[in-house]
Amino acid sequence: NAGVTQTPKFRILKIGQSMTLQCAQDMNHNYMYWYRQDPGMGLKLIYYSVGAGITDKGEVPNGYNVSRSTTEDFPLRLELAAPSQTSVYFCASSTGQNYGYTFGSGTRLTVV
Amino acid sequence: GENVEQHPSTLSVQEGDSAVIKCTYSDSASNYFPWYKQELGKGPQLIIDIRSNVGEKKDQRIAVTLNKTAKHFSLHITETQPEDSAVYFCAASREDKLVFGAGTILRVKS
Repeated sequence: NAGVTQTPKFRILKIGQSMTLQCAQDMNHNYMYWYRQDPGMGLKLIYYSVGAGITDKGEVPNGYNVSRSTTEDFPLRLELAAPSQTSVYFCASSTGQNYGYTFGSGTRLTVV
Repeated sequence: GENVEQHPSTLSVQEGDSAVIKCTYSDSASNYFPWYKQELGKGPQLIIDIRSNVGEKKDQRIAVTLNKTAKHFSLHITETQPEDSAVYFCAASREDKLVFGAGTILRVKS
C-alpha cells in the first residue's frame, strides 16, 4: 500500500516554463487536495476535489490548474512559472469530510 | 470563513517535560480537529484527532482536549523525547476541507 505518491521530488524551473506535478493515491479516497508550504510557513490550500470530475479553488489558486479524471490521480499544472511559486507542494487525500488527511512526501519546486 | 490560530510558534522543552500547544478556531460549525506532526523534509502525518462530541482523547503520551464553548483545543505531549522534535499543526474542519494553524516548532533538548 503506497498511500499518496508525488512525483517529481525536486524540480528547478525557469521563469515562464510550465510543468505538471503528479499525485496518485491507492486508497480509493474520494477527496484530494493540493497545498503549498513556503519556508517557515503553514499550509495554504491551492485546489481540492471531492470526487472524479469535480474540482474547486482553495485560498491561493492563481497560476495553477487541476483536473480529476480518475479517483486515483489529481495532477497540478503550473503555467508560466514565476519566482513566487517557489515552494514545497504537498498532495493529500481523505476518505471524506471530517476525516484525517494522508499526505504525500512533497515536491520541492524552485523557479529561477 | 474559518480561521485557526496556533500558539506558541516555537516551544523548547527539556527531555522528559511536558509540552502543550493551543489552537483557537472561529467557526462554531467546525466539528473535527486533527493534529499533524511534520518532520524535516517530510509530509505532515496525522498523530491524533478529536471530534466535537468528545472532550478529550489520549493515545499513549499524547492527548488532545477540546472546549467547544470556548472554541479552543490543545495538544498535550507528556514525557517528551528527542524524537518528538518537529513542527506540529492543528486544523479545524470547514465544509469539505481543513483549515490549518500556522504551526509550532517543538524542540526537545536532551
